[in-house]
Amino acid sequence: AQSVSQHNHHVILSEAASLELGCNYSYGGTVNLFWYVQYPGQHLQLLLKYFSGDPLVKGIKGFEAEFIKSKFSFNLRKPSVQWSDTAEYFCAVKEISSGSARQLTFGSGTQLTVLP
Amino acid sequence: EAGVAQSPRYKIIEKRQSVAFWCNPISGHATLYWYQQILGQGPKLLIQFQNNGVVDDSQLPKDRFSAERLKGVDSTLKIQPAKLEDSAVYLCASSIGGGTGELFFGEGSRLTVL
Repeated sequence: AQSVSQHNHHVILSEAASLELGCNYSYGGTVNLFWYVQYPGQHLQLLLKYFSGDPLVKGIKGFEAEFIKSKFSFNLRKPSVQWSDTAEYFCAVKEISSGSARQLTFGSGTQLTVLP
Repeated sequence: EAGVAQSPRYKIIEKRQSVAFWCNPISGHATLYWYQQILGQGPKLLIQFQNNGVVDDSQLPKDRFSAERLKGVDSTLKIQPAKLEDSAVYLCASSIGGGTGELFFGEGSRLTVL
């Protein structure tokens, strides 16, 4: 079965520090990749997604992620974090098999705390 | 555009009692999902509907959980009888289609089973 690993459970950074959150998945075929964010007290919302093409994708609020197929990874990055980036971040993967998409599988999440 | 609506936001029950959660997806979204998110874990899919038909319920504990989407719009998730390990946030999401489209989530219903 598909699995998604987020190795960092809790990351604490100071404002202006650079961020990289790791995400690895187990499926060897075609995948669609997502990062979702959940700000305190709010619902999950899409940060960015990768379907095909340029492996470096840009999302909202200055976030970007790079798909490295050989490493089964889709790490999230931001050059300079802000206090308002404090949130929980979830990586999610959809297997694409025979042209149809299977269920979206989430990682366990990374809680990011940005200190002012 | 109105988002995915869920109710109730919070529910506390004792084990062996029953509970029901309601979800109204974004208008026009054919696909509806129920996820279970246990504290410290990522959301886990319980059931996926395409219109009023079930697409995937492989991870739904069918001995106690049931869900329906009778008219292809809103949906109800029921747990009967509840167990302690059912304490979680139950998330509803919807998407335009069931393929590669983005999922839009509601704020969730937090269940505590005592």
